[in-house]
Amino acid sequence: GALVYQYPRRTICKSGTSMRMECQAVGFQATSVAWYRQSPQKTFELIALSTVNSAIKYEQNFTQEKFPISHPNLSFSSMTVLNAYLEDRGLYLCGARDRNSGNTLYFGEGSRLIVV
Amino acid sequence: GNSVTQMQGQVTLSEEEFLFINCTYSTTGYPTLFWYVQYPGEGPQLLLKVTTANNKGSSRGFEATYDKGTTSFHLQKASVQESDSAVYYCVLGPDTNAYKVIFGKGTHLHVLP
Repeated sequence: GALVYQYPRRTICKSGTSMRMECQAVGFQATSVAWYRQSPQKTFELIALSTVNSAIKYEQNFTQEKFPISHPNLSFSSMTVLNAYLEDRGLYLCGARDRNSGNTLYFGEGSRLIVV
Repeated sequence: GNSVTQMQGQVTLSEEEFLFINCTYSTTGYPTLFWYVQYPGEGPQLLLKVTTANNKGSSRGFEATYDKGTTSFHLQKASVQESDSAVYYCVLGPDTNAYKVIFGKGTHLHVLP
């Protein structure tokens, strides 16, 4: 079946430092990867949508300078949170879209960022 | 633009009770509709999806009908179990008019033993 692995599951970082997270699609080809942040209230914010061989689309309030994303192939994507501060805390989720399953997003378990 | 509304923030039921979670949507296109479930400490998992209007999707006893007339996609289950306790999200997929996947705010289901 389709699986998505995210690493690391949890990171505690000092304010002003950076955190890199990875997303691996297993068992399917991810035509696009959407990175979300889930707030403590459980709502989802779309950070950016990355499609292989296309420009990455960032949502309002999120920039490439702050959240650089790499998506080199159909099974892997990474995102970095640069200069993390308290407001960047949350659960970062990677949703990979299966090209053979319509528009179904398969999610990893998330990478939780704690900033101290 | 596209939107999804889940009015219920929390639902508390006893085991074997009937579940109904309200979801309505707004779109000018014909996107796929999804329900995702998120258990504590995990990422969201696909529960069911419906691609075509007026069709029903079902999985693990849950079902939802893509109703174009009432623009609804309510989630139902005849008899809930304690293990169904989780957050349920109604999700609008992308279509030719919109590239984004739109999440509802989620409904926290708490099933009492």
